[in-house]
Amino acid sequence: NAGVTQTPKFRVLKTGQSMTLLCAQDMNHEYMYWYRQDPGMGLRLIHYSVGEGTTAKGEVPDGYNVSRLKKQNFLLGLESAAPSQTSVYFCASSDPGRNEKLFFGSGTQLSVL
Amino acid sequence: EDKVVQSPLSLVVHEGDTVTLNCSYEVTNFRSLLWYKQEKKAPTFLFMLTSSGIEKKSGRLSSILDKKELFSILNITATQTGDSAVYLCAVDEYGNKLVFGAGTILRVKS
Repeated sequence: NAGVTQTPKFRVLKTGQSMTLLCAQDMNHEYMYWYRQDPGMGLRLIHYSVGEGTTAKGEVPDGYNVSRLKKQNFLLGLESAAPSQTSVYFCASSDPGRNEKLFFGSGTQLSVL
Repeated sequence: EDKVVQSPLSLVVHEGDTVTLNCSYEVTNFRSLLWYKQEKKAPTFLFMLTSSGIEKKSGRLSSILDKKELFSILNITATQTGDSAVYLCAVDEYGNKLVFGAGTILRVKS
């Protein structure tokens, strides 16, 4: 089973460029999440979705947009990348109320120069 | 503001030592507390705690929750180099969001 797959695994951007991170899960989970992880700050929730066609803001949503057009996919977009968005990004998915079964992708290392 | 605080931020021990990692929390709608281990890539689930005073155990790892004092501890006995990782504590709030602490970096020296 693939589980949660993130693409790309690494990316370097210049300030002002845009990009989209793709998350795909094959477990038929309703909920999907995007987190960022910075040194000394743990995981912070950017946006999340509780079902196809729905999205909601998390703790640090500014500068990001998301879409959940299909249940299995959750896209994270950066319209105009900034150096402050240099981070490791994790996607995760779960069934409702089952955070002990939260499955993470392997992460995307993004550097914005 | 909801928060989860872990301590220490990092520690170095020798193989065979016992370590205790701490997690305190202040959240509005507590449902459960979770511990994860992160080695380079994605966090992996260790324990979920919902009730006070009931110890969860898995091999050399154990954890307990105190809902009155709002904290949890993770114990690792007879540490091995393979225990070296970042240990994350997270609190599950009603509303389906996890609030993570900053993590404790554990390094076990041989």
